[in-house]
Amino acid sequence: DAKTTQPPSMDCAEGRAANLPCNHSTISGNEYVYWYRQIHSQGPQYIIHGLKNNETNEMASLIITEDRKSSTLILPHATLRDTAVYYCIVMKTSYDKVIFGPGTSLSVIP
Amino acid sequence: KAGVTQTPRYLIKTRGQQVTLSCSPISGHRSVSWYQQTPGQGLQFLFEYFSETQRNKGNFPGRFSGRQFSNSRSEMNVSTLELGDSALYLCASSWEAAGGSETQYFGPGTRLLVL
Repeated sequence: DAKTTQPPSMDCAEGRAANLPCNHSTISGNEYVYWYRQIHSQGPQYIIHGLKNNETNEMASLIITEDRKSSTLILPHATLRDTAVYYCIVMKTSYDKVIFGPGTSLSVIP
Repeated sequence: KAGVTQTPRYLIKTRGQQVTLSCSPISGHRSVSWYQQTPGQGLQFLFEYFSETQRNKGNFPGRFSGRQFSNSRSEMNVSTLELGDSALYLCASSWEAAGGSETQYFGPGTRLLVL
């Protein structure tokens, strides 16, 4: 079973912030939270990752709660091209048996 | 820097045949992982290679195998193909630093159809 739970789907108005939640209540101290997205069955695209501090890059921000049991990916100004399935995973090393859940299907609406 | 490349992009085979898929990681990356993605099972981890050694393996039958070459390029092989092997096969590479997690970068995938 996946170590994370996400809502199956969400809608967001174009130009508004999209806030995608992820629950990872069993995360261990040395596991990172990673976010990927997949558009039209292309290969998943890396978005952002973090251990315990909030992170920001040119694509998104990642907010991790203090107890690390949940996190939120924020796309600050969603566009139609952000319509995709977003996966939240936890991982220690590159050779972990990474378990992807079903993710959140985000639809950005004009 | 070029991304992860996978060949071929599309493949049609018949039951009982075997298939070999190829993955070239990002230059300098030494870890290569393989995943299978199907509508019913989602993204599933197949195996991971580093320095020509398999370090981890998912729950797939022995018909699924792989290898890695000294230049970090990797191949996966599926023998005695079954209809259920129809899927998108994804390869991901990472640099592998000492300690800490490593970001995996995915290729575009090979879409295999078994008839």
